[in-house]
Amino acid sequence: DTAVSQTPKYLVTQMGNDKSIKCEQNLGHDTMYWYKQDSKKFLKIMFSYNNKELIINETVPNRFSPKSPDKAHLNLHINSLELGDSAVYFCASSLGTAVEKLFFGSGTQLSVL
Amino acid sequence: GQNIDQPTEMTATEGAIVQINCTYQTSGFNGLFWYQQHAGEAPTFLSYNVLDGLEEKGRFSSFLSRSKGYSYLLLKELQMKDSASYLCAVRSSASGYALNFGKGTSLLVTP
Repeated sequence: DTAVSQTPKYLVTQMGNDKSIKCEQNLGHDTMYWYKQDSKKFLKIMFSYNNKELIINETVPNRFSPKSPDKAHLNLHINSLELGDSAVYFCASSLGTAVEKLFFGSGTQLSVL
Repeated sequence: GQNIDQPTEMTATEGAIVQINCTYQTSGFNGLFWYQQHAGEAPTFLSYNVLDGLEEKGRFSSFLSRSKGYSYLLLKELQMKDSASYLCAVRSSASGYALNFGKGTSLLVTP
C-alpha cells in the first residue's frame, strides 16, 4: 500500500492551461504539504494544511490554489500555467505540525510547453 | 527567513567516510533534519537532531551544534548506492514548523 500517493506522475501541458494534481495519504496524518522542486533540485515549501485548515501559505502566485476536502486529501490546482511552473511537485504528510518525519509522495513532473 | 547552506557537490570513494556540512541561520529553531533523495525519486528521512550532539543510526550519523548553527551528516563505509542528493532541512517556529530545505549536496560515490 502506498502511504502518500499523488497523480498524475507526469503532466505535460501548454501555457495558459489549467491543471490539477491530486494527493492522498492513508497514514492517518493530520498535516499535509505541497513542495516544489525546481530544475536545480531546490525543494521549497508552498502550502501546509492541518486538519483541512491552511496553516502555511508561502509566497506563491495566487494561480496556485490548494484544496483539502478532508484531512487525507490535499489537491493542487494551477490556473493559467506558465513556463516557470515547470518543476516536480511533491506532496507530503506528517503526523502533526511539529514532528520528526515527512512522508513524501513520488512526485509529479510538470512540464509546461 | 532562513539561510541554509551546504556544499553543492561532493565526491568520495567506495568504502570511505564522507562528511556533509550544513550551516543555518534561523529564529525559533525547532529541529534539523537530513533527507536522502535518489535521482527521480522522493526524499526519504535519514535523521533528526533537536539537541546538541551526535545521533548515530547504522552507517549514518548526524551532529548538531545549535550555538554554531551547524550540523553535519557522516556517512561511513560508503557504498555505490549512497550516490544521491542529501538535503539538510530546518524546522522553526518562525516558519510555522514546516521544514525548509537547503539546496542539497549531490554525493557521487566512485569505485
